[in-house]
Order: sequence, then C-alpha cells, then structure tokens
Amino acid sequence: GNSVTQMEGPVTLSEEAFLTINCTYTATGYPSLFWYVQYPGEGLQLLLKATKADDKGSNKGFEATYRKETTSFHLEKGSVQVSDSAVYFCALDRDDKIIFGKGTRLHILP
Amino acid sequence: DAGITQSPRHKVTETGTPVTLRCHQTENHRYMYWYRQDPGHGLRLIHYSYGVKDTDKGEVSDGYSVSRSKTEDFLLTLESATSSQTSVYFCATKTGSATNEKLFFGSGTQLSVL
Repeated sequence: GNSVTQMEGPVTLSEEAFLTINCTYTATGYPSLFWYVQYPGEGLQLLLKATKADDKGSNKGFEATYRKETTSFHLEKGSVQVSDSAVYFCALDRDDKIIFGKGTRLHILP
Repeated sequence: DAGITQSPRHKVTETGTPVTLRCHQTENHRYMYWYRQDPGHGLRLIHYSYGVKDTDKGEVSDGYSVSRSKTEDFLLTLESATSSQTSVYFCATKTGSATNEKLFFGSGTQLSVL
C-alpha cells in the first residue's frame, strides 16, 4: 500500500539556521504531495503542495520539490524563525486516499 | 476555511461501550475523512467517503465503522470502545478530486476510553 516516511524528530535549530525535513513516499502511479503544518493548539493547515514530478511547491519561505526518481519531497527553508516552531506532516493523495507521515516536531531557539 | 464542526469536542467513556463521533460540514464538499492523531504515529486514516453512502477503509479501520447518509454528515462509530482507541480524532473534507485540492480540518475530538 501507499506510505509516507518522515525523518524522526524533534528537530531543534537556532533562529536563522537552514532547515531540511526529509520525506520519502511509496505509491503506485503519480500521487500529489503535500506538506501540512500544525502550530501548537491548532489543527492542521496546508503549507505547500506539488502535483507532478519536478514541480516545486513554496509558501512562507518554505520549499519542496517533487522528485519522482528518488520518491522524495523534502521540505526546506533557508532561515527559520521562532514562529516556525510546529509539527510538520508530509502527505500524499493517491486516488483521493490521503495518507500522512508521522510528523516532525520542529523547535526553533531564539 | 470550510465550516467543519466536530461533536462532541471531548468525551470520556468506558471500555466496551459504543461511541459515535459526528462531523458536520456546510461547504458541500464531496470527500470526507476521519483520522486519529497519536504521539509517535502522526495522523492515521481510519475511513473516508467519496460521496453519500460511498465509503472505504483507511489504514486503521478495525474496530471502527462509518456512515454517510447526507453530504454534510459523516459519522464515525466505535462499535465497542477499547483503551487503545483513546486518541484525538480529526475530521477533514476536500472539495473534489482535482490534483490540487487540499484538506480542510475540523477542530478535533478528544476521546478517552477508561
């Protein structure tokens, strides 16, 4: 079946550091890929998405590129802020069945 | 965001009792989903629906059933609650099947099975 694997957390960085959160997937065909974010005490909200190979999704300084050859969708940000502290979830949508990874908790220190 | 209401917001129940959680949406979205969120497991798909009376199993469907008799309501039933079903349950909706559709989430139901 389809699956999403994310790097284990928590990830702790200093403000202005470079961020990478790894995400790889297993799926038949060509799923759409997403990153969702959950801020403390809130529900999940979409951060960015990509629907086909080599697409780059971007939002709020975050980026991720759909890599079909490596089945990956790694999340990156060049300079993180304290306000980026949250839990990040990678997800795939294949035939409307939407599967999430386990989430990666990110702590940013001032 | 889509008007998604989950009820109840909190529930405490005893092992062996049936429990029904309700998800109500006002946006006429075709797709509805039930997830559970647990530490160390992220979000896991329980069941989903692609239309009235059309449902399918997710990753962790054992011990759960769903029903969708109207577009706006998606019910999740724990047939005989167990302590392992203590969790936060999220409902989500999606407009259609286009590849760029995103999920809209409800506020969650905290369920404790004692």
